Amino acid sequence: ETGVTQSPTHLIKTRGQQVTLRCSSQSGHNTVSWYQQALGQGPQFIFQYYREEENGRGNFPPRFSGLQFPNYSSELNVNALELDDSALYLCASSLGLDNEQFFGPGTRLTVL
Amino acid sequence: RKEVEQDPGPFNVPEGATVAFNCTYSNSASQSFFWYRQDCRKEPKLLMSVYSSGNEDGRFTAQLNRASQYISLLIRDSKLSDSATYLCVVNPSGAGSYQLTFGKGTKLSVIP
Repeated sequence: ETGVTQSPTHLIKTRGQQVTLRCSSQSGHNTVSWYQQALGQGPQFIFQYYREEENGRGNFPPRFSGLQFPNYSSELNVNALELDDSALYLCASSLGLDNEQFFGPGTRLTVL
Repeated sequence: RKEVEQDPGPFNVPEGATVAFNCTYSNSASQSFFWYRQDCRKEPKLLMSVYSSGNEDGRFTAQLNRASQYISLLIRDSKLSDSATYLCVVNPSGAGSYQLTFGKGTKLSVIP
């Protein structure tokens, strides 16, 4: 069974640019959640997708957007990058909304 | 008040010691509670769920006090491999939604 994978592993962007991060959910999992973890902080919930529909959103501005595809993989898009967007972005998948979330290794984004 | 607050740490303890982590949460309607473990530069992994009746898994014991909105984790006979950051996690939502709220984490270093 393949676990949650994310790409790229690391990414460096400059302020104002746009970025797309990708997540492949664990086999059979139909729910994907995205989290942002700044250095020294716990992960913060960005949004969740269930069967290709957004199922909830945390306190993040609209320039953070996402998609979930029919195969349940997902993308996180961030427009107009700011320095404070530098963080580890974690994707977690689960089978349904009420079950354990399994995290991927994350994408480390640096905004210069 | 932050949604989930943990002991600031870090905790530096000798092998074999007993260590306790404390956590409080602000949303009295929170539904489920967990402890996650995060190794340096890795993704969080579920350590254990926390129930009102308390639960134990080997050397680890978790307790929940809903009236005080307080969660604890006790680690007995600490091992070097227990060194990690321990994250207190709450799901403030009801059924059909699993949007985890993380504390900042408490770093534990077990010293030989």
